[in-house]
Amino acid sequence: DAGITQSPRYKITETGRQVTLMCHQTWSHSYMFWYRQDLGHGLRLIYYSAAADITDKGEVPDGYVVSRSKTENFPLTLESATRSQTSVYFCASREDSWETQYFGPGTRLLVL
Amino acid sequence: KNEVEQSPQNLTAQEGEFITINCSYSVGISALHWLQQHPGGGIVSLFMLSSGKKKHGRLIATINIQEKHSSLHITASHPRDSAVYICACQRANTGTASKLTFGTGTRLQVTL
Repeated sequence: DAGITQSPRYKITETGRQVTLMCHQTWSHSYMFWYRQDLGHGLRLIYYSAAADITDKGEVPDGYVVSRSKTENFPLTLESATRSQTSVYFCASREDSWETQYFGPGTRLLVL
Repeated sequence: KNEVEQSPQNLTAQEGEFITINCSYSVGISALHWLQQHPGGGIVSLFMLSSGKKKHGRLIATINIQEKHSSLHITASHPRDSAVYICACQRANTGTASKLTFGTGTRLQVTL
């Protein structure tokens, strides 16, 4: 199906574990973004990518790693999960600056 | 002070009422987005505007660049409009990525 998907939708892990959240889009959009959403904060940008093999830090990148070897995939890895990384994570994609941004359904992550 | 401020934070209305949600920003922008987040969590883009006014069905979005203010209006509100409405500013001079800065959202509940 066309669109932007995220997996898993729900994840429970323990502190210190490595976790990878997947994001896949079928439009071949150039730009992809990872956000986290926490109570009391607006969505905050973790990392973004302008194209395959081009990534850059956002507002809150510490503790996260991204890669983009293919245009359609943009995985986000928590190298050693901490409780403060409990959040809802949204992936988004967009073709260029003047286009609408499309959001994935979100991944709800709980770090115990 | 947040760069993007929304008001009110919470809003309860009766079905049929005219609703206004406000967004003020303090940064230079190239465009402003209004997003809708339903109770299930998914985020949908409603409008992207850089000047004037846009209308889609019962939703109207306006922006005043000089006053750094935008409003989202809902005419003849309905319970299905119950959601969190998020304002996001597409910052100018941030390169081709044109990163978004988000408000914390306005939670709207429309009752029968």
